[in-house]
Amino acid sequence: DVKVTQSSRYLVKRTGEKVFLECVQDMDHENMFWYRQDPGLGLRLIYFSYDVKMKEKGDIPEGYSVSREKKERFSLILESASTNQTSMYLCASSSSPALNTQYFGPGTRLTVL
Amino acid sequence: SQQGEEDPQALSIQEGENATMNCSYKTSINNLQWYRQNSGRGLVHLILIRSNEREKHSGRLRVTLDTSKKSSSLLITASRAADTASYFCAKTNTGNQFYFGTGTSLTVIP
Repeated sequence: DVKVTQSSRYLVKRTGEKVFLECVQDMDHENMFWYRQDPGLGLRLIYFSYDVKMKEKGDIPEGYSVSREKKERFSLILESASTNQTSMYLCASSSSPALNTQYFGPGTRLTVL
Repeated sequence: SQQGEEDPQALSIQEGENATMNCSYKTSINNLQWYRQNSGRGLVHLILIRSNEREKHSGRLRVTLDTSKKSSSLLITASRAADTASYFCAKTNTGNQFYFGTGTSLTVIP
């Protein structure tokens, strides 16, 4: 079974802190994605990556950056956390950009105070 | 929005009844997928239907696709309390972009 793990289930940070959300997949997938999920808005794509050291902006990249130094790991970085970044963050991976199934991690519920 | 709409936003049924959720979209698609999300968890893939297919089945799930109406439906037959979850459709358009809808929250009452 594909396994996508996220470093934390729950995280509480203060405004202005730098926040790292880690995602690891064990299926040698080329593609990895970061979404945020908010009530009434569904899933919105923040960033995605089709290969190591490669990244592409999604629909809402402002306030975020990413890092993919190794194929299995995709990190989401909040350089200076703000209260409007309080959300559920979901990581996913797939073996092709869009034609195949995405496999999701359990999510990280981030609260920024 | 390219995401289109899902309806209803929320659905409450008795155990044993059938549940139908609908998904509409605006641009041409390559395929459409349905996912399930239990409360506070990640999404789990249920079924994929390609643009040249009209119907697919998987256990108690039946998905239809009508490209002329730009819509899809997910039918869960003989629902169980464990089917309580949010259900999302995800569209892959012809530009290989991937869009999730806002989801339908299903509650199955024992």
